Amino acid sequence: AQSVTQPDIHITVSEGASLELRCNYSYGATPYLFWYVQSPGQGLQLLLKYFSGDTLVQGIKGFEAEFKRSQSSFNLRKPSVHWSDAAEYFCAVGINAGKSTFGDGTTLTVKP
Amino acid sequence: EAGVAQSPRYKIIEKRQSVAFWCNPISGHATLYWYQQILGQGPKLLIQFQNNGVVDDSQLPKDRFSAERLKGVDSTLKIQPAKLEDSAVYLCASSRGPDQPQHFGDGTRLSIL
Repeated sequence: AQSVTQPDIHITVSEGASLELRCNYSYGATPYLFWYVQSPGQGLQLLLKYFSGDTLVQGIKGFEAEFKRSQSSFNLRKPSVHWSDAAEYFCAVGINAGKSTFGDGTTLTVKP
Repeated sequence: EAGVAQSPRYKIIEKRQSVAFWCNPISGHATLYWYQQILGQGPKLLIQFQNNGVVDDSQLPKDRFSAERLKGVDSTLKIQPAKLEDSAVYLCASSRGPDQPQHFGDGTRLSIL
């Protein structure tokens, strides 16, 4: 069975600082991997996805993620965080783009 | 394009009452999903439709939850009777196909008293 672990429940960073959100997955084959962002009171928005090919994936809003098969990880990064990035972030793994198991999320707080 | 529409945005009911949620997916999206998101957790898939047929309802508590998508477009999710543990946000998502990225609505926040 597939599973996703986001080890950090809550992360606080200063505006302008770099960000890395961790995601570890368990899956029997090469999975589809996703990062979503959820602002309060809203649904999830897809930031980026990995299916195959280049292991460094670029997404929207300046985010990127790197797939590391040997570590079963798909960490999300951003070089300089903006106050508007404060939200909850979910990593997901699936057998295809449509069917995913979600982690429990990491809440990002941005200090001025 | 218009996004996934859900209503109502908020609903408060007492336990043992019934409640229904409505979802209108993005036009042309054949696949529709209902998720339950409990506070502090990620979304959990309840049911997946392909057009008007059920693809996966393995995690739907069928003794109290039901869902339909009669004409392959709009969908309703019903809970009867509601329990305290059903307090959650219910998210609807749609995609062009079962292997395409999902687009989410803003959800319905359900509170059970």
